[in-house]
Amino acid sequence: DTGVSQNPRHKITKRGQNVTFRCDPISEHNRLYWYRQTLGQGPEFLTYFQNEAQLEKSRLLSDRFSAERPKGSFSTLEIQRTEQGDSAMYLCASSPGQANQPQHFGDGTRLSIL
Amino acid sequence: SQQGEEDPQALSIQEGENATMNCSYKTSINNLQWYRQNSGRGLVHLILIRSNEREKHSGRLRVTLDTSKKSSSLLITASRAADTASYFCATDGEGYQKVTFGTGTKLQVIP
Repeated sequence: DTGVSQNPRHKITKRGQNVTFRCDPISEHNRLYWYRQTLGQGPEFLTYFQNEAQLEKSRLLSDRFSAERPKGSFSTLEIQRTEQGDSAMYLCASSPGQANQPQHFGDGTRLSIL
Repeated sequence: SQQGEEDPQALSIQEGENATMNCSYKTSINNLQWYRQNSGRGLVHLILIRSNEREKHSGRLRVTLDTSKKSSSLLITASRAADTASYFCATDGEGYQKVTFGTGTKLQVIP
């Protein structure tokens, strides 16, 4: 069990650029979640996958955001035409498919928009 | 939107003292979880309590759940400087697949 891995840890980019983050979940976990966390707040749910199927998306996930989990293993979160308000920590978590199981989090990708 | 609200928002105690944090939530739940987050890091799961449980222990942690009041508390006994972190409650609503986090309590344990 190597834990949930997220890359990169930090991303600094100019407004208007596209960015992509990667998450590698714990290998036997079939659920994968993306959250966004701003300073002083708790994580806010963005989307989640059951294997390769994206089953739920938050209203926070505007058209500029897209997430994929092509083979039911790693996932990517892309933000197009970044805006200042996109600056945040983006957290990925995974869990087994059973009910009442905790989520295991990666250390996140901190995005800073200049 | 945040489902839960932790109270207090910040707490500062001396090492060795007990720390109590409270969480209130709005809708029916399947379970409630507590997580810890050190600065700049991801969240670490501490304890999960199901809606039909009233109290649960894990090491120096004690969690209570009162579904009639839609509230939970986390007690950390004999606190250590290493307990300094933010603590979040998270609720898993009935039939939902995701958890919704509260706003967190920032705990500082002074050596």
